[in-house]
Amino acid sequence: AQSVTQPDIHITVSEGASLELRCNYSYGATPYLFWYVQSPGQGLQLLLKYFSGDTLVQGIKGFEAEFKRSQSSFNLRKPSVHWSDAAEYFCAVGLYNQGGKLIFGQGTELSVKP
Amino acid sequence: DADVTQTPRNRITKTGKRIMLECSQTKGHDRMYWYRQDPGLGLRLIYYSFDVKDINKGEISDGYSVSRQAQAKFSLSLESAIPNQTALYFCATSDAGPNTEAFFGQGTRLTVV
Repeated sequence: AQSVTQPDIHITVSEGASLELRCNYSYGATPYLFWYVQSPGQGLQLLLKYFSGDTLVQGIKGFEAEFKRSQSSFNLRKPSVHWSDAAEYFCAVGLYNQGGKLIFGQGTELSVKP
Repeated sequence: DADVTQTPRNRITKTGKRIMLECSQTKGHDRMYWYRQDPGLGLRLIYYSFDVKDINKGEISDGYSVSRQAQAKFSLSLESAIPNQTALYFCATSDAGPNTEAFFGQGTRLTVV
């Protein structure tokens, strides 16, 4: 069955420090992968997506993610975190053979300390 | 105006009551989805619709029904609300094709007491 796992429920980093949020997926076909961010009281905003091609994808707000097929991973990174990055982050896989439905991970809540 | 609008934004209802959550979109997309978000569980798909005449159950459809009144409108109903349906509900839309992103509404926070 298809699934997405985000192993870290909550992460705290200092402002200016680097960030990596982990995401592992299970899907038999070519994955379409997404990272969304949810700020408090807000809907979900797309940070970046991977469909094919270059395995390192750039997104908005200075985020990037790397697709590693051999590890079934799509980790999100940012070199220097800002206080405004505090939010919940969701990794998702789009099911190619089911019309693109999204399967989400459990989410990782990011706190940023001064 | 938002591309995907959900009403109401917040609702408190009593056990056993029928409630409808509404979603409208101006993206012109054929596909619409209803998800529910619970802490520690991420978002789970309740129902989805690929066009007005094509409605499908998601992974957690029990206790819910939907209506696709038009391309732009997709409503979610709880026929007889129960407390474990307390959650944050999101409507989303996407264009046809497997590799397009989904656009989400702001969410409806529903509390069943």
